[in-house]
Amino acid sequence: DAGVIQSPRHEVTEMGQEVTLRCKPISGHDYLFWYRQTMMRGLELLIYFNNNVPIDDSGMPEDRFSAKMPNASFSTLKIQPSEPRDSAVYFCASSPGSSGANVLTFGAGSRLTVL
Amino acid sequence: AQSVTQPDIHITVSEGASLELRCNYSYGATPYLFWYVQSPGQGLQLLLKYFSGDTLVQGIKGFEAEFKRSQSSFNLRKPSVHWSDAAEYFCAGNTGTASKLTFGTGTRLQVTL
Repeated sequence: DAGVIQSPRHEVTEMGQEVTLRCKPISGHDYLFWYRQTMMRGLELLIYFNNNVPIDDSGMPEDRFSAKMPNASFSTLKIQPSEPRDSAVYFCASSPGSSGANVLTFGAGSRLTVL
Repeated sequence: AQSVTQPDIHITVSEGASLELRCNYSYGATPYLFWYVQSPGQGLQLLLKYFSGDTLVQGIKGFEAEFKRSQSSFNLRKPSVHWSDAAEYFCAGNTGTASKLTFGTGTRLQVTL
């Protein structure tokens, strides 16, 4: 199992540009989560999906952020337009869900720098 | 509100010394609790988890944690720290299926040789 795969690992872009982060969850996992990590705010849950359906997007900062999960093996987090304050490490995680608690497996993260 | 709290931002220990990282939780019911470790530039790796039953749980890399209901705590311990344990450690909790995981603010561990 290759684990949760995120791309790109690093992205540097200029303010106003569109950014798309990608995630491939572990096969068979029902839940997918997007987190953002910054020094100031720590780890924040942005949105999570269950069986490709968004369940809770209350953590999405504003309308500039959107996330999709078109199928069980792929999700995107898009920022349009990007701003310097969006600079952070974005993590994708997946979990098997079903009965019992969620045990999340994290990807290596995508480090975004907006100039 | 449901939460986990890590009161120590930064801890320094000598290699070979014992380690205890603190975590307190605030949940209405008994939560599911986790400890994750994050090495620089890496994602988070699960060290151990507590769901129910035995209150002392063993994890990877020689770590253990003890669930204490009376103290609302889930402290992480290791009897002898190695230099490679230097990392950031996160306590986290949730209340079960389809609920979101809440993370503490993390404790950065520095190991001196």
